Amino acid sequence: GESVGLHLPTLSVQEGDNSIINCAYSNSASDYFIWYKQESGKGPQFIIDIRSNMDKRQGQRVTVLLNKTVKHLSLQIAATQPGDSAVYFCAEGGNTGNQFYFGTGTSLTVIP
Amino acid sequence: DTGVSQNPRHKITKRGQNVTFRCDPISEHNRLYWYRQTLGQGPEFLTYFQNEAQLEKSRLLSDRFSAERPKGSFSTLEIQRTEQGDSAMYLCASSFGGPILYNEQFFGPGTRLTVL
Repeated sequence: GESVGLHLPTLSVQEGDNSIINCAYSNSASDYFIWYKQESGKGPQFIIDIRSNMDKRQGQRVTVLLNKTVKHLSLQIAATQPGDSAVYFCAEGGNTGNQFYFGTGTSLTVIP
Repeated sequence: DTGVSQNPRHKITKRGQNVTFRCDPISEHNRLYWYRQTLGQGPEFLTYFQNEAQLEKSRLLSDRFSAERPKGSFSTLEIQRTEQGDSAMYLCASSFGGPILYNEQFFGPGTRLTVL
């Protein structure tokens, strides 16, 4: 299977600061990446995606950066809020477009 | 609430018993996925349906697992002769598949299975 990993299992940030969550992937042929947020007891929630023909994509308070040279993906959250506390997963779109390979996850804790 | 529902939310069973889970996707979604998630790990793909056809199955899906989507709407996942290693969260997701290869998947809340 594919290998999608995260650099840090946990991250704590002060409320109002920016958060950066990193992810490494191994399949250089991957062409679609997604970030999901998962709160306790809930299923993953889509945050933002990016295709390999882009290196940056912005959403509301979130930015995803893709560096294909080093096979690295990051999620930036601006002005982190307590409601952002959750586990964040990066996922890689499989070659068929129907499978997604998830990393282990990073637990983000926002300190009020 | 994403619009994808799963029942039951929790299931406790004894080893060797059979269990069945149900997923109701978003009504206009033609694609349906099953994933398994263990504690501290990301979801692992199990299988995928396009309408009523099961088009992909992971190697994780042993012979004890079977999934159906008989009318292209709701889906069931059955595990026969459950083992303790089957204890996990079983997630369902749906998406609308069109000409674009990748489409956002909406996840349900999951069914947590505990095998004693």
